[in-house]
Amino acid sequence: NAGVTQTPKFQVLKTGQSMTLQCAQDMNHNSMYWYRQDPGMGLRLIYYSASEGTTDKGEVPNGYNVSRLNKREFSLRLESAAPSQTSVYFCASSVSGRGVEGEQYFGPGTRLTVT
Amino acid sequence: AQSVTQLDSQVPVFEEAPVELRCNYSSSVSVYLFWYVQYPNQGLQLLLKYLSGSTLVKGINGFEAEFNKSQTSFHLRKPSVHISDTAEYFCAVSENTNAGKSTFGDGTTLTVKP
Repeated sequence: NAGVTQTPKFQVLKTGQSMTLQCAQDMNHNSMYWYRQDPGMGLRLIYYSASEGTTDKGEVPNGYNVSRLNKREFSLRLESAAPSQTSVYFCASSVSGRGVEGEQYFGPGTRLTVT
Repeated sequence: AQSVTQLDSQVPVFEEAPVELRCNYSSSVSVYLFWYVQYPNQGLQLLLKYLSGSTLVKGINGFEAEFNKSQTSFHLRKPSVHISDTAEYFCAVSENTNAGKSTFGDGTTLTVKP
């Protein structure tokens, strides 16, 4: 099994450009997440999807949109990139719900630089 | 709402010495607790988890953690570290009413020196 895959691995954008980060999981998990990781700030949740067809804002949603295309795929879109969005982005997935174990499985990350 | 505090942002230690990485949490309901490890330029991977039962849980690579409900802590320990343990470690908590959506601490960078 591939687990959680993310594309691209690296990306450089100019301010104002748009792009979509792709994420897919093959573990039949119902929940998926997008985080950003910045030095000294740990992981911050951007958006999550508890199940196919639902999405919710996390801690830092401004400047981002998401699409849960199907159970496997969860994409993150930057409509107009800003230098403050320079970061490493991680996608994760988990089983979720009452009484389940709920650990998250992470992709390898996308390193995004906005100039 | 749940929250997690990792009490040390950086922990330097010599090879073969013991180490403890501290994590406190707060929640109004029962929780599940996790430690994840992130090696340089990689994603996070699960080190160990506490769901219920024995308060001492063992994970991969010789790590263990103890759940202390009265002190709301979940400290990570290893009796003898190796250079290869150099990484960032994250503590996370999720409420068992809706496990899956976790809150992460800010991370502790463990640096093992020869």
